[in-house]
Amino acid sequence: NAGVTQTPKFRILKIGQSMTLQCAQDMNHNYMYWYRQDPGMGLKLIYYSVGAGITDKGEVPNGYNVSRSTTEDFPLRLELAAPSQTSVYFCASSYSRVGPDTQYFGPGTRLTVL
Amino acid sequence: AQSVTQPDIHITVSEGASLELRCNYSYGATPYLFWYVQSPGQGLQLLLKYFSGDTLVQGIKGFEAEFKRSQSSFNLRKPSVHWSDAAEYFCAVASRISSGSARQLTFGSGTQLTVLP
Repeated sequence: NAGVTQTPKFRILKIGQSMTLQCAQDMNHNYMYWYRQDPGMGLKLIYYSVGAGITDKGEVPNGYNVSRSTTEDFPLRLELAAPSQTSVYFCASSYSRVGPDTQYFGPGTRLTVL
Repeated sequence: AQSVTQPDIHITVSEGASLELRCNYSYGATPYLFWYVQSPGQGLQLLLKYFSGDTLVQGIKGFEAEFKRSQSSFNLRKPSVHWSDAAEYFCAVASRISSGSARQLTFGSGTQLTVLP
């Protein structure tokens, strides 16, 4: 299993440009998440999905959009990049069950907006 | 609202010395607690987790953590540190997102560990 994969690893954007961060998992996990990590901070939840076709906002959703057309893929879209979106973005997935679950993280995408 | 505090931003230990990283949480319900490690340029790797039962949990790479409800703490320990343990360590608590079954992780700000030869 590759686990959770993310592309690209690095990207530099100009203000106002758009891009999609890709995330895929091959563990047949229902739940997927996008977090951002700012310097000196822990991760904050941007969006999450509990299954194909079902997405919802997390703690810091402004400026982002997501879609979930398949179980495996959960792309994150930045429509109008702003310097405040400079961050490291992590995708995670987990297997849903009644009790608590463990989230498995991808390697991250480091995004710089200039 | 839930929160996690890691009081030590940076810790330096000598190789072979013991290690304890502190974590305090605030959460109204039963806490589900995690420790993750992040090496430079890498993603987060799960070290260990506490859901219920024995309050001393064992993890990978020789790490262990003890859940103390009375102190709202979940400190990470290792008896003898190796140079390869140098990394950033994050404590996290899982909490429900609204009324659904999904849970988000609330992370502390991390503790950077430096290991001296």
